[in-house]
Amino acid sequence: DTEVTQTPKHLVMGMTNKKSLKCEQHMGHRAMYWYKQKAKKPPELMFVYSYEKLSINESVPSRFSPECPNSSLLNLHLHALQPEDSALYLCASSGVYGQETQYFGPGTRLLVL
Amino acid sequence: AQSVAQPEDQVNVAEGNPLTVKCTYSVSGNPYLFWYVQYPNRGLQFLLKYITGDNLVKGSYGFEAEFNKSQTSFHLKKPSALVSDSALYFCAVRDARLGSGTYKYIFGTGTRLKVLA
Repeated sequence: DTEVTQTPKHLVMGMTNKKSLKCEQHMGHRAMYWYKQKAKKPPELMFVYSYEKLSINESVPSRFSPECPNSSLLNLHLHALQPEDSALYLCASSGVYGQETQYFGPGTRLLVL
Repeated sequence: AQSVAQPEDQVNVAEGNPLTVKCTYSVSGNPYLFWYVQYPNRGLQFLLKYITGDNLVKGSYGFEAEFNKSQTSFHLKKPSALVSDSALYFCAVRDARLGSGTYKYIFGTGTRLKVLA
């Protein structure tokens, strides 16, 4: 099974709200990723976790806060977002042995009003 | 840094005809190349990858890709296109090692494939 699940599928939030995106995989992958994707553009890497530790933060604003509670779960906490943060947020996972494929979830479509 | 280029924003092909979606790469060392497909409002689905070995790589849904080292290309092909193949296609290359076995992946700008009935 190469499934990565994400909830919710859609999210509408105001600029003062706090919300969280969730991602789950049961492939035994120890690397998990958050990407942001604008319409008709390639995904942009935001964060990488390896063995539940933050490996990379691609200069993402602090209003995005990732969390990896265990090897199967990845969260993205959102607070005080801006309208330009509206996008499709994709989670991915992979193994850590160099030739690994990244598997993506279906994404959360976020609209910030 | 590694990079990939997809020179065509859109490719139109008639149903039943062969299709090709182009990708060229620039890497130092051996390239690790991937193709993904994205349907509207969906995540990226893995199609195939080239790591080493045969230059012709077979993947999901009847797709294949040809790795050409001399032309630094990794074009995606399918012998007979279906209307349901209409989607956004991304080529990707494995980039720098981030540590602890993880890598950064660089995506091309995407090519929209439209298969006409």
